[in-house]
Amino acid sequence: GAGVSQSPRYKVAKRGQDVALRCDPISGHVSLFWYQQALGQGPEFLTYFQNEAQLDKSGLPSDRFFAERPEGSVSTLKIQRTQQEDSAVYLCASSSPWDRGLGSVAAFFGQGTRLTVV
Amino acid sequence: AQTVTQSQPEMSVQEAETVTLSCTYDTSENNYYLFWYKQPPSRQMILVIRQEAYKQQNATENRFSVNFQKAAKSFSLKISDSQLGDTAMYFCAFMPLPSGSARQLTFGSGTQLTVLP
Repeated sequence: GAGVSQSPRYKVAKRGQDVALRCDPISGHVSLFWYQQALGQGPEFLTYFQNEAQLDKSGLPSDRFFAERPEGSVSTLKIQRTQQEDSAVYLCASSSPWDRGLGSVAAFFGQGTRLTVV
Repeated sequence: AQTVTQSQPEMSVQEAETVTLSCTYDTSENNYYLFWYKQPPSRQMILVIRQEAYKQQNATENRFSVNFQKAAKSFSLKISDSQLGDTAMYFCAFMPLPSGSARQLTFGSGTQLTVLP
């Protein structure tokens, strides 16, 4: 696709419910990131994939958060037993391979999924 | 660890005027990238401009330019001839030069810019 696509755009979950958020990155982008953006704040890093390998998950706030990218393209962020503090916008970003001479190091973001836990 | 500070939560500017948004950062890295992203109400983060720390020349992109002061760890964004469509939240972001798996962005808390007609 032309850009990073995320679905759903809005999700309302009851506390304790499991949710799955989808990210479809720009075709050919091997790097994929998930960020969490609380209301009125800047995005905070959650996890990073290079192809199907999850190279960094240091930002995941608890073991209720799980991300996967099994075929190196589409990624899913899963949150189990949602809590009210999980309410936020979840942003996905992708970027092209690192190449100091040619490639873009900038991340291209999707429009995010706004999760509200009630 | 890196930190990025944007000390201006809100700013406003008259259409066609010039405005400067400030950003400071703290890092022990010597090589890194700095970015300004714009986030309109649609929520999509849009890259405005980027600066490589090893380049002394300040980056410019049309009406947008930066004042990068490496020693002071300052990275301000200047918007010239402000337009109504520039109204958005602006985020300053830092990324160390990729080594291994370290490629994530560290964002500031943002500055809400309103362009007044």
